[in-house]
Amino acid sequence: DSGVTQTPKHLITATGQRVTLRCSPRSGDLSVYWYQQSLDQGLQFLIQYYNGEERAKGNILERFSAQQFPDLHSELNLSSLELGDSALYFCASSVGTSGAPQYFGPGTRLLVL
Amino acid sequence: AQSVTQLGSHVSVSEGALVLLRCNYSSSVPPYLFWYVQYPNQGLQLLLKYTSAATLVKGINGFEAEFKKSETSFHLTKPSAHMSDAAEYFCAVSGVRRANNLFFGTGTRLTVIP
Repeated sequence: DSGVTQTPKHLITATGQRVTLRCSPRSGDLSVYWYQQSLDQGLQFLIQYYNGEERAKGNILERFSAQQFPDLHSELNLSSLELGDSALYFCASSVGTSGAPQYFGPGTRLLVL
Repeated sequence: AQSVTQLGSHVSVSEGALVLLRCNYSSSVPPYLFWYVQYPNQGLQLLLKYTSAATLVKGINGFEAEFKKSETSFHLTKPSAHMSDAAEYFCAVSGVRRANNLFFGTGTRLTVIP
C-alpha cells in the first residue's frame, strides 16, 4: 500500500459526459501528479500540483482540468468525454523536491462507451 | 529534453536465471532515474531510484540497477528470477527544476518460465 488513495476504482460512462476523479496523497506529501496509461500512448504525464498551485503541464487536453485543494487532495475533471479517453488514470504524490520518488495510487479505470 | 528508451518490450527468462532489463536515458542535466514495477490490475510500485549518491543502486525484491554515465544506461538486474517477478517494468527519468514529473519508457513485460 503506497498510502495514495484514488476513487473511484472503476468508472463507466458515455461519450459527451463529464467525470471527476479524486486523489488523496500520502501524508506529508505536497505534490500531486496525474498520469494517463493507455495501450497506444503508454504512461503519459498530465499535470502536477504543488501545495495548491499548478507546477507543470504535460499532454493534458483542454477538455481536462485539475485542481489541488487546501487539504492537498486533488481532483481531475474530464469533460466532453470521447471513446479515446478510455484509459487508466493514476495519481502519484511526492514531497515535491527534485529527485523525490513518486508513490502511485491504484488508479481509476475509465471506460467511455 | 528528458526521455528514456527501454529495449525489448518482452523478456522471457527461466526461473532462477538472471534478469536483465535495459534502459537508456537522455537528459539535459544529471538525471534522477527510477524503476517501477506494475503487477496486473495494480498501480506502479517503486523498485529503486538513482539520485547520484552511488552508481549501484539496490532496490526491493532483490533488484538492483547500475548507473553508467558513459553509456547513458540504467539497466535493471536480478541474479535469480522468481515466478513472482512476472510483471511489467518501467524505467523513468525525472523532469528538471520545478517540474519534476516523470517521463516513462514504454515498459518491458517480464515472463518467468517455470
